[in-house]
Amino acid sequence: NAGVTQTPKFQVLKTGQSMTLQCAQDMNHEYMSWYRQDPGMGLRLIHYSVGAGITDQGEVPNGYNVSRSTTEDFPLRLLSAAPSQTSVYFCASSYSSPAGEQFFGPGTRLTVL
Amino acid sequence: AQKVTQAQTEISVVEKEDVTLDCVYETRDTTYYLFWYKQPPSGELVFLIRRNSFDEQNEISGRYSWNFQKSTSSFNFTITASQVVDSAVYFCALTNSGSARQLTFGSGTQLTVLP
Repeated sequence: NAGVTQTPKFQVLKTGQSMTLQCAQDMNHEYMSWYRQDPGMGLRLIHYSVGAGITDQGEVPNGYNVSRSTTEDFPLRLLSAAPSQTSVYFCASSYSSPAGEQFFGPGTRLTVL
Repeated sequence: AQKVTQAQTEISVVEKEDVTLDCVYETRDTTYYLFWYKQPPSGELVFLIRRNSFDEQNEISGRYSWNFQKSTSSFNFTITASQVVDSAVYFCALTNSGSARQLTFGSGTQLTVLP
């Protein structure tokens, strides 16, 4: 199993550009989510999905879009990048049981100039 | 709303010292789950432990131990005989038993173990 994979690992954007961060998992997990990590603030939830076709907003959703057309993939789209979106982004997946461990991807380090 | 507080931003110890990382949480749910994750300098998040709200037994795994006290809403993590490889950021996190599991993270504690 590859677990949770994320691409790219690093990305530099200019203000106003758009891009998609890719996330895929091969564990047949129902839940998938996106977090951003900023210095001194821990990880904050951006969007999450409880299954294919179902998504919802987390704590900091503004400026981001998600969709979940398959169980395996959960891309995160930045519509018009802003310097405030400079961060490290983590994708996670887990089974539906609330006791289940969330598996995290390796992260994408994004810089918006 | 849920909240996790890790008041210790940075801790520095000398190798072989014991160190305790504090975690205090707030939640209105009666059923919830607490986690500890380790983030080494390489950046990935490594799962360490999960504890549900109905199990207050302390747990020991090698040099690691966890003390869960519902009375004080705390879930502290102790490393015994610390090693340089323990240097990392440690996050405490909380989730509820609702249909959408959303982890609420603390701000993390940077642990540096000096040789």
